Order: sequence, then structure tokens, then C-alpha cells
Amino acid sequence: KNEVEQSPQNLTAQEGEFITINCSYSVGISALHWLQQHPGGGIVSLFMLSSGKKKHGRLIATINIQEKHSSLHITASHPRDSAVYICAVPPSGNTPLVFGKGTRLSVIA
Amino acid sequence: DGGITQSPKYLFRKEGQNVTLSCEQNLNHDAMYWYRQDPGQGLRLIYYSQIVNDFQKGDIAEGYSVSREKKESFPLTVTSAQKNPTAFYLCASRMYSAGQAFFGQGTRLTVV
Repeated sequence: KNEVEQSPQNLTAQEGEFITINCSYSVGISALHWLQQHPGGGIVSLFMLSSGKKKHGRLIATINIQEKHSSLHITASHPRDSAVYICAVPPSGNTPLVFGKGTRLSVIA
Repeated sequence: DGGITQSPKYLFRKEGQNVTLSCEQNLNHDAMYWYRQDPGQGLRLIYYSQIVNDFQKGDIAEGYSVSREKKESFPLTVTSAQKNPTAFYLCASRMYSAGQAFFGQGTRLTVV
């Protein structure tokens, strides 16, 4: 069974700090997803990546397929970045996503 | 705009009653999923469907039922057999051959 582990579980940062959230998984995958869940509960897909690095605004996601590890970075963090960030992987291409438990980020002004 | 819509956002149910949660998508996605989220836990798969008129149980299917009569719709029924139905329910969809996942805004179900 594929396990997805995220760290840290909770993270509090000062506005402007550089933030890193980590995700490790146990089996080979075709792609990894990073998702954002706001306090209202709705989930937004941030990235889907299968190699290297992707950047969108202040968000950067990297993945190392050989090491089965991915990181999500937030540069110049802002209070509006406060949310739960979730990593998810499909054990094989067409199977349902398996989710990590999420990292709860609070950015304080 | 294409997207995935869940309704209602909040739902209250009396113990012993069945209730159906709606999920509709206009993204032409083949695969649709229902997840349950409890405080401090990750999303857990209830049911999923990869094609019309076919669906599979996920990890926590007991006490739930689904149907997939149309590609656009994947309603979830929480039956009275579900012992602890109070939770946040999320519907998702994506293209059958993998791809980006899209999520609804969720339904928060409370049993009173």
C-alpha cells in the first residue's frame, strides 16, 4: 500500500519568511499533486509534476523521483498563504489519489 | 466556466435518515471520486467511478452508496447504516488516464 508522509504537520511563520513543506511516498508514481485547502474547506490544485521543478508566482514545487520526495516552497510568505497544504499521489496512473494528512500553515503578519 | 459543483454546502440530518450529496462536473472527466475528511486526518476514499454505470468501493465504503448514470453526475448517499456520518465530504474528478484533479467545495454533513 502506498503511504504518503508530510512534514511538518503544523507550521507557523512570520510574514516574509521562506517556507518549505516536504512530502515522501513509498512506491513509484507517475506524478505527484500539491493541493491547497482553505479554512472554508474547498481544495484547489496547485501543481501536478512528474519531474524537476514547477513555479507559479511565489510557489515552487520540486520532485526527486529516485528519492521519492517532493517539496513545496513558498517565497515571501503572506498571511493569505495560511491554509492546509496537501500532497497526493496515484499509486498507478489511473488509480485514485492517495493523500497525505496535510501541513497546516499559519503566516503571521 | 468548467468546474465541479457540490451541493449543499451544509447539511443537517437526523439520525436514522438517509441523505444524498450531489456532485456535478462539466469538465468531461471520466473519473469521479468521493472522499471523506475528518479533523486531523487525510482524505479517505469512499467510492470512485472511472466510467458511466460502473463504480468501485474505496477504503471506507461501508454505509455509503453511489450511482453513475450520467458522466456528469456522481451522487453519494449516506445511509443510516453509516455509524459516524458527521464529516466533511469532498467530490473530485479527473481525466481517466491521469491528469490534474479538480475538487468541489465540499459538503459538511452534521447528524443531529
